[in-house]
Amino acid sequence: GEDVEQSLFLSVREGDSSVINCTYTDSSSTYLYWYKQEPGAGLQLLTYIFSNMDMKQDQRLTVLLNKKDKHLSLRIADTQTGDSAIYFCAEMRSNDYKLSFGAGTTVTVRA
Amino acid sequence: GAGVSQTPSNKVTEKGKYVELRCDPISGHTALYWYRQSLGQGPEFLIYFQGTGAADDSGLPNDRFFAVRPEGSVSTLKIQRTERGDSAVYLCASSEDSYNEQFFGPGTRLTVL
Repeated sequence: GEDVEQSLFLSVREGDSSVINCTYTDSSSTYLYWYKQEPGAGLQLLTYIFSNMDMKQDQRLTVLLNKKDKHLSLRIADTQTGDSAIYFCAEMRSNDYKLSFGAGTTVTVRA
Repeated sequence: GAGVSQTPSNKVTEKGKYVELRCDPISGHTALYWYRQSLGQGPEFLIYFQGTGAADDSGLPNDRFFAVRPEGSVSTLKIQRTERGDSAVYLCASSEDSYNEQFFGPGTRLTVL
């Protein structure tokens, strides 16, 4: 969606950390999500953050939210080949229920 | 438990034909959503059901698109007089209620020749 922007590609070496960035425009967004899509599969929710938080950690995943700059990032520690996929950032606005997605970042993990 | 399922997984049709795409949500989920994902893009919202009624159909691109959910469970997305530009992956999602986490199905890849 035009309101959520992501870089299109990221290449990372196996074992390194990956950082995927996203910017959004609607300051009323209440929830921000990261979804993973593998070839031929549906979207899998990885994690989400509520807008009153600035960080959330879940095992190898760390989400950082900078509300002032409307910037969201997803860090994947110790990236594995199974992490190769397209990652989508999505926002849900206040009093809304539909998700607005970015175009997705294709992450390629090389040995 | 079973996730969201969609049938068919692939559908190839000719320009001008009518197609129906089916979504079986997670049992007990009252909210159901349809999204469309074009090649190289993120999903875009089409329509949202709360129970049997379409609470928001603002994302449907034109009147060739219609969706129903007559018993508040299974939903069917119907496309009349298909055009090549309708080619995309159609994703269905369901959630326990509005504002809850949306669980996505694997999608139906529609190709209009």
